[in-house]
Amino acid sequence: QVQLQESGPGLVKPSQTLSLTCTVSGGSISSGGYYWSWIRQHPGKGLEWIGYIYYSGSTYYNPSLKSRVTISVDTSKNQFSLKLSSVTAADTAVYYCAREVRSILYNWFDPWGQGTLVTVSS
Amino acid sequence: SSELTQDPAVSVALGQTVRITCQGDSLRSYYASWYQQKPGQAPVLVIYGKNNRPSGIPDRFSGSSSGNTASLTITGAQAEDEADYYCNSRDSSGNRGVFGTGTKVTVL
Repeated sequence: QVQLQESGPGLVKPSQTLSLTCTVSGGSISSGGYYWSWIRQHPGKGLEWIGYIYYSGSTYYNPSLKSRVTISVDTSKNQFSLKLSSVTAADTAVYYCAREVRSILYNWFDPWGQGTLVTVSS
Repeated sequence: SSELTQDPAVSVALGQTVRITCQGDSLRSYYASWYQQKPGQAPVLVIYGKNNRPSGIPDRFSGSSSGNTASLTITGAQAEDEADYYCNSRDSSGNRGVFGTGTKVTVL
């Protein structure tokens, strides 16, 4: 079955760019039909949707983060990536990647990666 | 409004039934999906679409919707159901994903 795995630095300095990669195994991003998403969870808090990318490269971002977020895809490596610029301590969170199904009436995320904690600190 | 509101916490006696609700204007247009999250673990999908369970999710989990409210019901709660539960849908534009505020379920 499809599995997702996040990777990237666990510590980022303030004002720098957070970069994470999600590697997809057991299925191909290029097959289409799914939206590849990033979601984060601040310590002890709820889930926040960051954005998604389709295999074609089309994206949609949470308006609250849009000015700082870039999501890209590398179909040759079966990976998609998140970049979040100008980070502050408020960006400290567990970051998850997930596969999203979307249709006219519904959407859901399944599966999820295990999550990776990113701490913003000098 | 694009928010999804859930009760912060509910408790249920072992073997009894608990319903978790999720309220938001966008739920008049879109179905909610539901996720279970245990401490230190990633969320797991438990209900999607009108009332569908992924493979491996017990049939004691069910979903429903009416007006601006979506509900997740656990019929015959087990100790292993103690977790945080989140609903998810989209905002009224249909583009932005939105998660509920989360409900902590305690099984007594």
